[in-house]
Amino acid sequence: QKEVEQDPGPLSVPEGAIVSLNCTYSNSAFQYFMWYRQYSRKGPELLMYTYSSGNKEDGRFTAQVDKSSKYISLFIRDSQPSDSATYLCAMIYSINKFYFGSGTKLNVKP
Amino acid sequence: GAVVSQHPSWVICKSGTSVKIECRSLDFQATTMFWYRQFPKQSLMLMATSNEGSKATYEQGVEKDKFLINHASLTLSTLTVTSAHPEDSSFYICSASPRGPSQPQHFGDGTRLSIL
Repeated sequence: QKEVEQDPGPLSVPEGAIVSLNCTYSNSAFQYFMWYRQYSRKGPELLMYTYSSGNKEDGRFTAQVDKSSKYISLFIRDSQPSDSATYLCAMIYSINKFYFGSGTKLNVKP
Repeated sequence: GAVVSQHPSWVICKSGTSVKIECRSLDFQATTMFWYRQFPKQSLMLMATSNEGSKATYEQGVEKDKFLINHASLTLSTLTVTSAHPEDSSFYICSASPRGPSQPQHFGDGTRLSIL
């Protein structure tokens, strides 16, 4: 079993839809959680960085962490074609020990 | 803030040559830098982790003599692909974490390496 599981997609939605991206994990020691967006032929860009359970909002993006279920989510409201990219979740176990999901490819159709 | 610059963005060279890729943290000090390799439509594959002033820690299966990593300062790490061959062609991405516990990684824009 992988430490972090993420559905590879692709996920295709119409413009304006609410998008839900998810990751599950197995190690309850994970404390810090991140979401990255990666466009084709570019490096990943940090979108959200959260600690412990709860919600964090930044513009159209909301990150949600449920430690009891070992489940994290990224919601995108009013999705735009420019949101089309691969989204990676990541978690920190200890100093310099990161675990990444395999990424979910999102396609927002105009 | 937290900008990481990677250079060059694209390099084409002949088989047998060595190629150096630079990774700089522009607005923060990075005690730790990471090097990844990514194949088309696949996820990131960690190659090595480097801490400023010490030897890099390589992941299993990564040849230390093939992929030389130097992290000489708090803002610069380099990856040198020695005696490159066509199978080394790939997308290489660096990242850096600022000082402090459990800081996120900030990524460069990657280097596309093509070996002819």
